[in-house]
Amino acid sequence: GAGVSQSPSNKVTEKGKDVELRCDPISGHTALYWYRQSLGQGLEFLIYFQGNSAPDKSGLPSDRFSAERTGGSVSTLTIQRTQQEDSAVYLCASSLVGTSGGRGTDTQYFGPGTRLTVL
Amino acid sequence: QKEVEQDPGPLSVPEGAIVSLNCTYSNSAFQYFMWYRQYSRKGPELLMYTYSSGNKEDGRFTAQVDKSSKYISLFIRDSQPSDSATYLCAMSGFSGGYNKLIFGAGTRLAVHP
Repeated sequence: GAGVSQSPSNKVTEKGKDVELRCDPISGHTALYWYRQSLGQGLEFLIYFQGNSAPDKSGLPSDRFSAERTGGSVSTLTIQRTQQEDSAVYLCASSLVGTSGGRGTDTQYFGPGTRLTVL
Repeated sequence: QKEVEQDPGPLSVPEGAIVSLNCTYSNSAFQYFMWYRQYSRKGPELLMYTYSSGNKEDGRFTAQVDKSSKYISLFIRDSQPSDSATYLCAMSGFSGGYNKLIFGAGTRLAVHP
């Protein structure tokens, strides 16, 4: 079946411009996550959506970053006034349930990422 | 200090070698431990998942968790060139209503023929 898809795969922008990154999760998955992967830094959690609940935005690095999820499916991560330090791979993941009541964890399936370069 | 520490490598081994990958962590609340494999220009994919302490084996892969030492390992037996990838450890504990994953930096592994 179809996995998580992200677009664009690559994005080059100039410092100060706004960018929008898109994520299409696996159909039926209620939880959606955004991560940032910088060179040699591992994955940094940005934001988590679960159904109709208020998102967990605790990982967003500044107020230039925002994300929304429309209709419980597609998500868009927006970075305003981009800076060179925003250059990274932005990964989206989805999972079936998200919350598990502490009884276990459900698998996060990742998309291929969007490679953002800010000149 | 990071919550999860992982040596970024790179680690280069000959085909057929046994590979040992490790992570240490500081948060004793972590209960779930995972290893993800990430090929170049791809997203991570779940390789192994372990709950609490103990060992888990899946084919050529064995995951070990030692909660008393806050140390986890992934062993790859009879390594193959197709195992060349970045291996990320990840762990989580139930907090804030869900299991948030905390990742290590990843170890780059190269298996040469």
